[in-house]
Amino acid sequence: DTGVSQDPRHKITKRGQNVTFRCDPISEHNRLYWYRQTLGQGPEFLTYFQNEAQLEKSRLLSDRFSAERPKGSFSTLEIQRTEQGDSAMYLCASSLQGGQGGETQYFGPGTRLLVL
Amino acid sequence: AQSVTQLDSQVPVFEEAPVELRCNYSSSVSVYLFWYVQYPNQGLQLLLKYLSGSTLVKGINGFEAEFNKSQTSFHLRKPSVHISDTAEYFCAVRGNYGGSQGNLIFGKGTKLSVKP
Repeated sequence: DTGVSQDPRHKITKRGQNVTFRCDPISEHNRLYWYRQTLGQGPEFLTYFQNEAQLEKSRLLSDRFSAERPKGSFSTLEIQRTEQGDSAMYLCASSLQGGQGGETQYFGPGTRLLVL
Repeated sequence: AQSVTQLDSQVPVFEEAPVELRCNYSSSVSVYLFWYVQYPNQGLQLLLKYLSGSTLVKGINGFEAEFNKSQTSFHLRKPSVHISDTAEYFCAVRGNYGGSQGNLIFGKGTKLSVKP
């Protein structure tokens, strides 16, 4: 168990550019989540996958955001035409579905995005 | 809709003193409750969780929390803190919809600062 990994850890980009982040969950975890955390706030849910199916999307996830989990393993989060308001920490978590939904979500270290 | 309120944004405390970090939630369904800790430049780590059963939950690093349904609270306590407990603590809730829905809803966090 090597934990959830995210790449890159830091990203600086100019407004209008596209960025893509990668998340590698704990192996065999079938659920994968993306959250966004801004300064002084707790993480806010963006989207969630069960295997390769994207089951939920938050209203925070505008049309400029897209997430994929093509083979039910790693996931990517792409932001197109970045805006300064996209500056945040993007967190990925994974879990193994079980019971009534109280399973633990394990978080990665996050990708910190700064849009200039 | 569910929400989480962490009543204190910052809690300063001296080493070896007891501490309580407060968390209240609102939900129209039964819930699962979680406390996560975030050390500087690290991802979130689960401290403890309440799913059902005993209302007193013990977690890692000597922390415990008590679920109080009538007061809709899930306060985190530690009888004697260490310098190494300095971190940000997040309370989170997840609705018990029968295991299908996934995301956690977090509070804004409480920064615990332990002074020597």
